[in-house]
Amino acid sequence: KQEVTQIPAALSVPEGENLVLNCSFTDSAIYNLQWFRQDPGKGLTSLLLIQSSQREQTSGRLNASLDKSSGRSTLYIAASQPGDSATYLCAVPSGGYQKVTFGTGTKLQVIP
Amino acid sequence: GAVVSQHPSWVICKSGTSVKIECRSLDFQATTMFWYRQFPKQSLMLMATSNEGSKATYEQGVEKDKFLINHASLTLSTLTVTSAHPEDSSFYICSARDTEVGFFGPGTRLTVL
Repeated sequence: KQEVTQIPAALSVPEGENLVLNCSFTDSAIYNLQWFRQDPGKGLTSLLLIQSSQREQTSGRLNASLDKSSGRSTLYIAASQPGDSATYLCAVPSGGYQKVTFGTGTKLQVIP
Repeated sequence: GAVVSQHPSWVICKSGTSVKIECRSLDFQATTMFWYRQFPKQSLMLMATSNEGSKATYEQGVEKDKFLINHASLTLSTLTVTSAHPEDSSFYICSARDTEVGFFGPGTRLTVL
């Protein structure tokens, strides 16, 4: 059974700092890995999707890396802004139906 | 990108009543749809996998008689919470998968009084 863990569970940084969020998964037979953000009481916003054959993806200030063999992914946020404050979830589809298992989440607070 | 809608976006109901939530893939056909729920301050947990035209597969600990799932077409899946109780209050999110990627709906917040 796939298990996805995110570290840290919560993070508070001053505006402008660069930061890294970590995601680890136990079953490396994944199709892809996706990073989402979720604002309080809201649904999911897709940030980045990395296919299993890729090592990284970039979108603006966000860069996600994937090391399938070690079961790890990182989300790098450059020059953080207060608007980046949210919970960040990594999600991994695996198994015959590509069931998505979500990580435990990292709650980020960027202080102005 | 592909769009998945959910209806309603929020619902409040009395204990003992049943609530139906719809999940639609708007611009693609989804042979497989998934239902998740999220309790406050927790991550999303998969409830069931739904394939068009067949019975849903439920995750361990999810009562199939309480959470009825119907996937009658390639663009629509419904989740019915039967005889809802306050402990069923949660955020329910569906996902529809095309050939490669799963797309998530905006979620439905259910509050049972």
